[in-house]
Amino acid sequence: AIQLTQSPSSLSASVGDRVTITCRASQDINSALAWYQQKPGTPPKLLIYDASSLESGVPSRFSGSTSGTDFTLTISRLQPEDFATYYCLQFNTYPRTFGQGTKVEIK
Amino acid sequence: QVQLVESGGGVVQPGRSLRLSCAASGFIFNTYSIHWVRQAPGKGLEWVAVLSYDGSNKYYAASVKGRFAVSRDNSKNTLYLQMNSLRAEDTAIYYCARDPLPYCGGDCYLDYWGQGTLVTVSS
Repeated sequence: AIQLTQSPSSLSASVGDRVTITCRASQDINSALAWYQQKPGTPPKLLIYDASSLESGVPSRFSGSTSGTDFTLTISRLQPEDFATYYCLQFNTYPRTFGQGTKVEIK
Repeated sequence: QVQLVESGGGVVQPGRSLRLSCAASGFIFNTYSIHWVRQAPGKGLEWVAVLSYDGSNKYYAASVKGRFAVSRDNSKNTLYLQMNSLRAEDTAIYYCARDPLPYCGGDCYLDYWGQGTLVTVSS
């Protein structure tokens, strides 16, 4: 199974900060990567698909990029509603796999 | 609008069985593959299984293969997860989630998710 190594596992940041979260795949996944945001007690919400395509309705401060098997989610200016846990998902092959998650907390 | 509603969760003893349901509405159910994803309390997301739109293709996580079975009734717009030989480590919220496109060929992410149903395996 393809492994996704997500880092960091948690981070503290302030409103207005630029935040980057990385997901490294154990093999080539052809940009078949999505990013999700999850807040406590709610299901995950799709942010980015195909590594860099912004889901409809998601603010433009969220962006995704890729370099080989390394994928990055960037939040350009952190807003209060962005404090949550973020997960990456590879959908290149079965079984699907998620990264371990990154909890973004208020500094 | 697209809705996925899970049901069937509850408390069950180790070794027993449970069947979850995922009722869909707001889209043409029999053209979409549907997945099960679970989340143990305080832990991350774990993909569990998928069933293709026509029921012809099924895939499972290694952790549930041979114990869980996914099925669907397209006449009822419902997906099922039959869970047998349950273990304490199967305790989790179980979500169903949909492919973003009809007839997706197997390389699609998940867009809409249900609210989940909690399964607790405990004696």
